[in-house]
Amino acid sequence: AQSVSQHNHHVILSEAASLELGCNYSYGGTVNLFWYVQYPGQHLQLLLKYFSGDPLVKGIKGFEAEFIKSKFSFNLRKPSVQWSDTAEYFCAVNSDFNKFYFGSGTKLNVKP
Amino acid sequence: EAQVTQNPRYLITVTGKKLTVTCSQNMNHEYMSWYRQDPGLGLRQIYYSMNVEVTDKGDVPEGYKVSRKEKRNFPLILESPSPNQTSLYFCASSSASGWGDIQYFGAGTRLSVL
Repeated sequence: AQSVSQHNHHVILSEAASLELGCNYSYGGTVNLFWYVQYPGQHLQLLLKYFSGDPLVKGIKGFEAEFIKSKFSFNLRKPSVQWSDTAEYFCAVNSDFNKFYFGSGTKLNVKP
Repeated sequence: EAQVTQNPRYLITVTGKKLTVTCSQNMNHEYMSWYRQDPGLGLRQIYYSMNVEVTDKGDVPEGYKVSRKEKRNFPLILESPSPNQTSLYFCASSSASGWGDIQYFGAGTRLSVL
């Protein structure tokens, strides 16, 4: 079975600090990669995705992620976080054609 | 409004009492899926369906059943719930076969099995 690892379980930052959340996956074949976000009391929603092409992808709200195939990584970044970014972030991998694998999530708490 | 609707949102039940969690989408999506979310484990896929009458096991299918008789509905059935099925459940759908497509999630169903 595939696995997705998110090493940061809980991150606390002050507003304007930079953010990087790590994501590593175990599958060696073709993958599609996603970051989903769950704001308090809301549905999971897509932040950004990588299918192919430019390994640096940009998503909503100033987030970006870089796919590094040699490292099996898809780290999420934001140069300057805001209080409204407080949420739980999930990395997900689509492999085995129709199956999805999610990481354990990272809870981000941004202090105003 | 495009949405995935789950019912009920909260459910407390006892061991062995059959229950069904419904999931409906209004986007004419072909692909639907069920996940459970547990602390420290993230979301794990239970079952998925590529189209009507086509379902397949995800990573953690034991103790669950699904059916896909209509395109819009994908109920999750627990025929004999046990306490280890206490969890937060999400239904999701996407427009294509599932491969590489964005999933849209329901609001979740919090289930407690006593």
